[in-house]
Amino acid sequence: TQLLEQSPQFLSIQEGENLTVYCNSSSVFSSLQWYRQEPGEGPVLLVTVVTGGEVKKLKRLTFQFGDARKDSSLHITAAQPGDTGLYLCAGARNFNKFYFGSGTKLNVKP
Amino acid sequence: GAGVSQSPRYKVAKRGQDVALRCDPISGHVSLFWYQQALGQGPEFLTYFQNEAQLDKSGLPSDRFFAERPEGSVSTLKIQRTQQEDSAVYLCASSLDSQGNTEAFFGQGTRLTVV
Repeated sequence: TQLLEQSPQFLSIQEGENLTVYCNSSSVFSSLQWYRQEPGEGPVLLVTVVTGGEVKKLKRLTFQFGDARKDSSLHITAAQPGDTGLYLCAGARNFNKFYFGSGTKLNVKP
Repeated sequence: GAGVSQSPRYKVAKRGQDVALRCDPISGHVSLFWYQQALGQGPEFLTYFQNEAQLDKSGLPSDRFFAERPEGSVSTLKIQRTQQEDSAVYLCASSLDSQGNTEAFFGQGTRLTVV
């Protein structure tokens, strides 16, 4: 049973569209991370959010941590083919153990 | 290289065979993690080391799984009497400190296939 549920599981969109990926749990996390993973590679950290309600921006990517620190969202503006990959959220209940969601597989078509 | 290095990249084992997977973390990194990633799933926590001490092994699925980091650097994940359900990618990650406040860097993983 996954502690973190991600939705949608799969997303196929055209270049230029916007999208939002959700990461939900009934548990409270001390921090939450978003990763992107490409085939045959390990996950690469995109951002860490720590404070409830926190919003972080990374170029066209906007990350938000829920007020209660139980959920998070990732919004991509004007998606590009280079954004294609598996997006994973991971929550920490103590600082040294992260629980990953099952991921959202994004495909951006040119 | 400067990143986390895992070897072998691919391993095919016959059912019942023992395997050993190696992780070379980034030099100086205190924390080391092992994760198991099944096809189409997110990584699942296996175990955590702070230097040579294995502080959490709650994710190891059975007593056939054993991990060590004897000198606080290189770590080995050993799986005895492999079963088909052990087929997965095994990921190693390291981070600089023990407080979770610094980024965890992942290796490329070892893809284990048990036939």
